[in-house]
Amino acid sequence: GQSLEQPSEVTAVEGAIVQINCTYQTSGFYGLSWYQQHDGGAPTFLSYNGLDGLEETGRFSSFLSRSDSYGYLLLQELQMKDSASYFCAVRDPQAGTALIFGKGTTLSVSS
Amino acid sequence: DVKVTQSSRYLVKRTGEKVFLECVQDMDHENMFWYRQDPGLGLRLIYFSYDVKMKEKGDIPEGYSVSREKKERFSLILESASTNQTSMYLCASSFTGYGYTFGSGTRLTVV
Repeated sequence: GQSLEQPSEVTAVEGAIVQINCTYQTSGFYGLSWYQQHDGGAPTFLSYNGLDGLEETGRFSSFLSRSDSYGYLLLQELQMKDSASYFCAVRDPQAGTALIFGKGTTLSVSS
Repeated sequence: DVKVTQSSRYLVKRTGEKVFLECVQDMDHENMFWYRQDPGLGLRLIYFSYDVKMKEKGDIPEGYSVSREKKERFSLILESASTNQTSMYLCASSFTGYGYTFGSGTRLTVV
């Protein structure tokens, strides 16, 4: 079956850099996505990696290593508003375009 | 911007009631999804649809059904609500399958 592992909680201070790791097991691979969800809000799409390497979008970057079945989300210059849950997700090869999500990492940023 | 609208933000229903959760998207996306989100369990796929009148079971379809009579609307039906279906329900739509747009969610309480 398919599964994703990510840490349940991460804490950091404003201005710091934090890395949220995600390892996955899937019978077929179509890329790794990341989503952010603030408390009480809807998940929002952050990034997608289909090929190995680093994708950068402003303060956020996402990395993928397909040979290691591993990826991470890197958040730089942390701000209080980055406090949220972050989910990695992969396509379910047996379910069309449906995504399987990790259980989420809660990031707490303090001043 | 794609908008996904869920008809109710909060719902309270009684055990045994038939419950309809409505979801409408405005960007002509073929793919639509229903997830439930529970603390510590992340997002779990209930049903998805890749075309009008098409539906596919996700990981936890028991106790649920869906309807997609029009491309923009995807309804989740709880045939006979039970207390273990108390949860946050999230609808999403996607064109490519890589970047989902989620609705704001419906927090359902079954008493």
